[in-house]
Amino acid sequence: DVKVTQSSRYLVKRTGEKVFLECVQDMDHENMFWYRQDPGLGLRLIYFSYDVKMKEKGDIPEGYSVSREKKERFSLILESASTNQTSMYLCASSLGTGSMNTEAFFGQGTRLTVV
Amino acid sequence: GESVGLHLPTLSVQEGDNSIINCAYSNSASDYFIWYKQESGKGPQFIIDIRSNMDKRQGQRVTVLLNKTVKHLSLQIAATQPGDSAVYFCAENMAPASGTYKYIFGTGTRLKVLA
Repeated sequence: DVKVTQSSRYLVKRTGEKVFLECVQDMDHENMFWYRQDPGLGLRLIYFSYDVKMKEKGDIPEGYSVSREKKERFSLILESASTNQTSMYLCASSLGTGSMNTEAFFGQGTRLTVV
Repeated sequence: GESVGLHLPTLSVQEGDNSIINCAYSNSASDYFIWYKQESGKGPQFIIDIRSNMDKRQGQRVTVLLNKTVKHLSLQIAATQPGDSAVYFCAENMAPASGTYKYIFGTGTRLKVLA
């Protein structure tokens, strides 16, 4: 089974802190994604990566950056955390097969609270 | 902008009855659709998918219907059980300029199963 693991279930950080959210997948997937989930807004794409060192902005990249130094790991970075970044963060991965798209597999989520 | 949406934010169903969750999508270029189930405190789990060259696909107790003419997707759950209580998301899969398929999610429908 595909396993997507997020390093923390719950995090509490202070405003202005630099925050790292880590995600690891064990199925050699090319594509990895970071979403945030907020009530009434569903899942919104922050960034995604289709290969090592490659990244592309999603719909709401402001205030975030990402790093993909290894294929299995995709990190989300909050450069200077703010209270409006309090949210559930979900990492996902999918197999990159060119023209054939496949389902994304999700981690269990990280509930981040910025105080 | 183009988006995936849901008609009903909350659906209450009697245990044993069938459930139907609806979804409208707006991107006619999307060619792959997925239904996810998210239980409280967990990440979304894949339920079933369908490609645009099909109009119906069946799984175990679940059926997805795709109507490309009106850009409508539905998830049918037969003999709904208490364990089906969750939030259900539809997602469309579309390829941006980079060629990487990314997923666009609706806001979700909460299914409540009444005993």
